[in-house]
Amino acid sequence: DAGVTQSPTHLIKTRGQQVTLRCSPKSGHDTVSWYQQALGQGPQFIFQYYEEEERQRGNFPDRFSGHQFPNYSSELNVNALLLGDSALYLCASSASSGSTDTQYFGPGTRLTVL
Amino acid sequence: RKEVEQDPGPFNVPEGATVAFNCTYSNSASQSFFWYRQDCRKEPKLLMSVYSSGNEDGRFTAQLNRASQYISLLIRDSKLSDSATYLCVVNPRSSGAGSYQLTFGKGTKLSVIP
Repeated sequence: DAGVTQSPTHLIKTRGQQVTLRCSPKSGHDTVSWYQQALGQGPQFIFQYYEEEERQRGNFPDRFSGHQFPNYSSELNVNALLLGDSALYLCASSASSGSTDTQYFGPGTRLTVL
Repeated sequence: RKEVEQDPGPFNVPEGATVAFNCTYSNSASQSFFWYRQDCRKEPKLLMSVYSSGNEDGRFTAQLNRASQYISLLIRDSKLSDSATYLCVVNPRSSGAGSYQLTFGKGTKLSVIP
């Protein structure tokens, strides 16, 4: 049973560029959430996708956008990169049905903005 | 007041010691509570859910006090492999209604020393 997978594992970009990160949820999961984790901090919620729509959004600017595909995989896009966007980006998947609301995390993509 | 606050740490304890982590949360409507463990440069992994009645998993015991909005994690007989950052996590959505954003504390770093 494959867990949550993310690509790429590492990425280096320069200020002003755009980046796309990818996530495949755990088998049987239909909901994908994205989090940003800066060094020394806990993960911060960016947004969640369910049924190919953004269901909830955290306190992040519009430069952060996403998409969910019919196979439940998801992309996170960040435009006009800033130095402060350097962080570990985590994808988490969960199932909308069932008695548990546990989210399972992928290994993350480490983004460095120079 | 931060939504989820944890002991700042770091905690440096000898093998075999008992260590306790504390956490408070500000949203009294929160319904689900978790402890996640995060190893250096890795993704958070679910350690255990936390229930009002308290729950135990081997050497780990979690407690929830809804009246005080307080969560705790107790680790008995610490092992070297317990060294990690422990994240207190709150989800305001009730179980079965689908998981929305998780709110994380900053984490408490534990180092178990030989």
